Formats: sequence, structure tokens, C-alpha cells
Amino acid sequence: EIVLTQSPGTLSLSPGERATLSCRASQSVSSNYLAWYQQKPGQAPRLLIYGTSSRATGIPDRFSGSGSGTDFTLTFSRLEPEDFAVYYCQQFGSSPWTFGQGTRVEIK
Amino acid sequence: EVQLVESGGGLVQPGGSLRLSCAASGFTVSSNYMSWVRQAPGKGLEWVSVIYSGGTTYYADSVKGRFTISRDNSKNTLYLQVDSLRPEDSAVYFCARDTYTSGRYAHEYWGQGTLVTVSS
Repeated sequence: EIVLTQSPGTLSLSPGERATLSCRASQSVSSNYLAWYQQKPGQAPRLLIYGTSSRATGIPDRFSGSGSGTDFTLTFSRLEPEDFAVYYCQQFGSSPWTFGQGTRVEIK
Repeated sequence: EVQLVESGGGLVQPGGSLRLSCAASGFTVSSNYMSWVRQAPGKGLEWVSVIYSGGTTYYADSVKGRFTISRDNSKNTLYLQVDSLRPEDSAVYFCARDTYTSGRYAHEYWGQGTLVTVSS
């Protein structure tokens, strides 16, 4: 099983700041099979990025994804108030598909 | 518009069973890859199962042999039969329509979830 480790666990930032979230895999993951999701309290997750760097429909370009092999990154160019949430990475390269434990982005 | 509406959750005793449903609209379930993902209270996300358009199914090891994913084409509905339930199966269960575009995969559309609580 591929273990995804996200860091940091919590990120405290102010609106307008840049944010970088990390997702590290225990084994190499094909870039086609790495996705990022946003989840707000009481809501279902929302797909942000798939295939490491492709934005899902309707996702603003302040979100970007990058990486390869075992190291992947989700970047926010400027945090908006609605971006404060929990973010998960997920790999589909090897069964069972696995999620990271999540990074909480909170208002500083 | 793609919509997914889960139902069938509830309180069940250990060892019991439930059938979770995911009614879809705006697309055809049988033509898509469909997944179930769960989230225990206050915890992270855990993938549970997938059914491909061709009918092939896969399961997480934690539910293999106890859960069964299926679909009813006439009702355009996805199901998850959950048997031999354990307290650790307590979670919100989400269904998702997956995307597999240009070799890239993800859970693209999600329902709002149905809560399963396993307790005596």
C-alpha cells in the first residue's frame, strides 16, 4: 500500500498570502494518478487538481499542482477567504487507492 | 447537471447489514467509473470500492468480502451492500463519479453522503 504523508498538518495563514502544501508518497506515483481535493466542514470533498497539475472544471487559476515521483505540491498563489478548508491528496497508481491524512489551512 | 444523492444509511448493530444507494442524474451510471469513499467522524477520507464501466470491481482490503458494489442500469443507481458491519465501519459514505481523461484519474463529482453508525 502506498502511504501518502501530507505536511504540514495545519497551516495558519492570512488572506492574500501564498501557500504551499506537500504530499509525499512512500513509493513512486505516476503523475497521471495524483489528485487534490478541498473539503469544508459538513460538505463533500471537491476535486481541485487531477493528473498532478490539471485543474478541475471551475477551479480558479490561483490553485496549481506540481510534482513527480514521490513529491507533489499544491500551491495557492493568493489565499482567498473561501480557501480555508482541509486539503487531501490521493493516489490512484496502485491499489488500494489511498489518501493523505489532510492539511488544514486555517485563518491566522 | 451531474447530481448524486446517497441514501440508506442509519444506525445498525454490529454484524448487521445495510444497502446504500446513490441515485444519479445528468449522466449514465453504467457508462462511467463509480466509486464509494468513506469518512469516519472527525477523520480523513478512505477509498472503499470502485466499479468500472465494464463491470470490474475492486475493494479496499478493510472491506473485501463484506461489501459489494453494484449498479442498476434501469434505475441509474449505484449501490453498496455492506454486510458484517463493525464499529470501525461507522462513517459518512460518499459516492463519486470518477473521471478518466487522457490517462488521468480522479473522483470528479461527489454526493453529499449518507451516515452509517454501527453500534449496539
